[in-house]
Amino acid sequence: GAVVSQHPSRVICKSGTSVKIECRSLDFQATTMFWYRQFPKQSLMLMATSNEGSKATYEQGVEKDKFLINHASLTLSTLTVTSAHPEDSSFYICSARGGAYEQYFGPGTRLTVT
Amino acid sequence: QKEVEQDPGPLSVPEGAIVSLNCTYSNSAFQYFMWYRQYSRKGPELLMYTYSSGNKEDGRFTAQVDKSSKYISLFIRDSQPSDSATYLCAMSPPGTASKLTFGTGTRLQVTL
Repeated sequence: GAVVSQHPSRVICKSGTSVKIECRSLDFQATTMFWYRQFPKQSLMLMATSNEGSKATYEQGVEKDKFLINHASLTLSTLTVTSAHPEDSSFYICSARGGAYEQYFGPGTRLTVT
Repeated sequence: QKEVEQDPGPLSVPEGAIVSLNCTYSNSAFQYFMWYRQYSRKGPELLMYTYSSGNKEDGRFTAQVDKSSKYISLFIRDSQPSDSATYLCAMSPPGTASKLTFGTGTRLQVTL
């Protein structure tokens, strides 16, 4: 149980285009999902907290107009990177809160912007 | 000073060894403690989670929390090459809106 999927696993896009990443909790409902970014050999950096049916809460320094988050259902949250640039290239990982506090992570999406 | 400190390693041990991974923290409000394993280019996998102080065992893994010392540990018995990964500790205070605070991760290499 407690499986979280992400799609796509890898995406390459051209500078200036937008990319959407999906995060799904497959066998449980998640009122809260989280989006992280991870650079090579570094720990996870929380970008935003996504609550079903309400606006996401962004961490300081994260541009909410650039990283659009939608949590339309209890099993799906999406992250859209708008007008992507090479500096947005990174490993993006979502997680879903499975119970009172533990989080289950997706496999991650590697974004490369050329 | 970071809220959560974790030695980045790398830690290299022979197959079959007992591995001890540790984190210290400064925020006394932390009540929930987790250990994640992350393979290269993959998402973190939840290994163990505990509430407050005490021990928890699951197969070859044992998690310990000492809140008085603000110190948590993960022990891996009979380590295998497949245990080679980065191990992240994470913790949070009570509350449904609480975010996880992560350690930087310890890279473990189990050699044949």
